[in-house]
Amino acid sequence: GNSVTQMEGPVTLSEEAFLTINCTYTATGYPSLFWYVQYPGEGLQLLLKATKADDKGSNKGFEATYRKETTSFHLEKGSVQVSDSAVYFCALHKGYNQGGKLIFGQGTELSVKP
Amino acid sequence: DAGVTQSPTHLIKTRGQQVTLRCSPISGHKSVSWYQQVLGQGPQFIFQYYEKEERGRGNFPDRFSARQFPNYSSELNVNALLLGDSALYLCASSLGLGLAGAETQYFGPGTRLLVL
Repeated sequence: GNSVTQMEGPVTLSEEAFLTINCTYTATGYPSLFWYVQYPGEGLQLLLKATKADDKGSNKGFEATYRKETTSFHLEKGSVQVSDSAVYFCALHKGYNQGGKLIFGQGTELSVKP
Repeated sequence: DAGVTQSPTHLIKTRGQQVTLRCSPISGHKSVSWYQQVLGQGPQFIFQYYEKEERGRGNFPDRFSARQFPNYSSELNVNALLLGDSALYLCASSLGLGLAGAETQYFGPGTRLLVL
């Protein structure tokens, strides 16, 4: 079946460090891929997306590239800030003929220390 | 423009009771989806509605039901509450079906339900 796997957290980094959060997926066809961020006590905010292979999504210094050959969508940021501390979710969507749902990974908690 | 809104923000119920959660989508969005997020896990899909019709259903018991109104707002109902129904319930809206990028879902702040 369709699934998303993320690296285990929590990830603890110092401010200005480089961030990578790994995400791999299992799905047939060409799903759209997303990263969402959840700050404590809040809902999910869309961070970035990519809808086809080799697309790069980017927003607020975060980037992720849709790699069909490795079924991956790793999240990166060159220099993290304390305000980036949150839980990050990778998700896929296979289209409305597949029931219209997002399938999420388990989330990766990021903690950035000053 | 206003984002997705949900009410109430918090709710406490006892086992066996019934609850109704409400969601208003982003203006112009015709599709609403509901997700359950248990503490420490990723959201799990419950329902998706488009143009007042159910278009997708997740692996949840029949105690869970939903509907969408002509103004595209939606309600999620849960009957005979169990302790395990305690979770954050998220509503997401999207433009609709068949358009490029229309599958992008925007989430509300959620309703936190505690069942005692």
